[in-house]
Amino acid sequence: DAGVIQSPRHEVTEMGQEVTLRCKPISGHNSLFWYRQTMMRGLELLIYFNNNVPIDDSGMPEDRFSAKMPNASFSTLKIQPSEPRDSAVYFCASKQGWNSPLHFGNGTRLTVT
Amino acid sequence: AQKITQTQPGMFVQEKEAVTLDCTYDTSDPSYGLFWYKQPSSGEMIFLIYQGSYDQQNATEGRYSLNFQKARKSANLVISASQLGDSAMYFCAMREGAMDSSYKLIFGSGTRLLVRP
Repeated sequence: DAGVIQSPRHEVTEMGQEVTLRCKPISGHNSLFWYRQTMMRGLELLIYFNNNVPIDDSGMPEDRFSAKMPNASFSTLKIQPSEPRDSAVYFCASKQGWNSPLHFGNGTRLTVT
Repeated sequence: AQKITQTQPGMFVQEKEAVTLDCTYDTSDPSYGLFWYKQPSSGEMIFLIYQGSYDQQNATEGRYSLNFQKARKSANLVISASQLGDSAMYFCAMREGAMDSSYKLIFGSGTRLLVRP
């Protein structure tokens, strides 16, 4: 079991640039979640998918953020254009079944200068 | 209003002693689930234990147990025989609803635990 795989582990970019974060969920898991973690706001749910369909994107902060899940084994979170306040650790997580816990990836630490 | 409240920003415990991390929650939904996660300094989120709102028994997983007091809306994590490797941030989280399509896991602000040798 390879777990949830996120790439890159670290991303440093300049303000205004486009950033794409990638996630491969655990095989067989039907739900995928994107979270953001900062010191000020803690862990925030950005968006989640069920069977590749976005269910709730109310946590996406602005139109600059978008997420896709083209198939069951891949998702992206894109920020365009990026801003310094987007600096955070972005986690992807997946699960299978209603009562199952979320399994998290190792996160992507994004720094926007 | 906060859905999940962890009132202890930081705690110390002596190695080999037990420690309780507090978590209270707020929901009007009769069906919900409570989770605890550990986040060591390396940053990954590790699932520890789960308690469903209809579960009759308190959940246990090895040295972890959940003191579930439904009427008080509390779900405290008890770690027995603390080890140095238990030093980490601990997050309480809640899932509301009975439908998989409405699944949302909301996290508390966390408690940083430091185990003293």
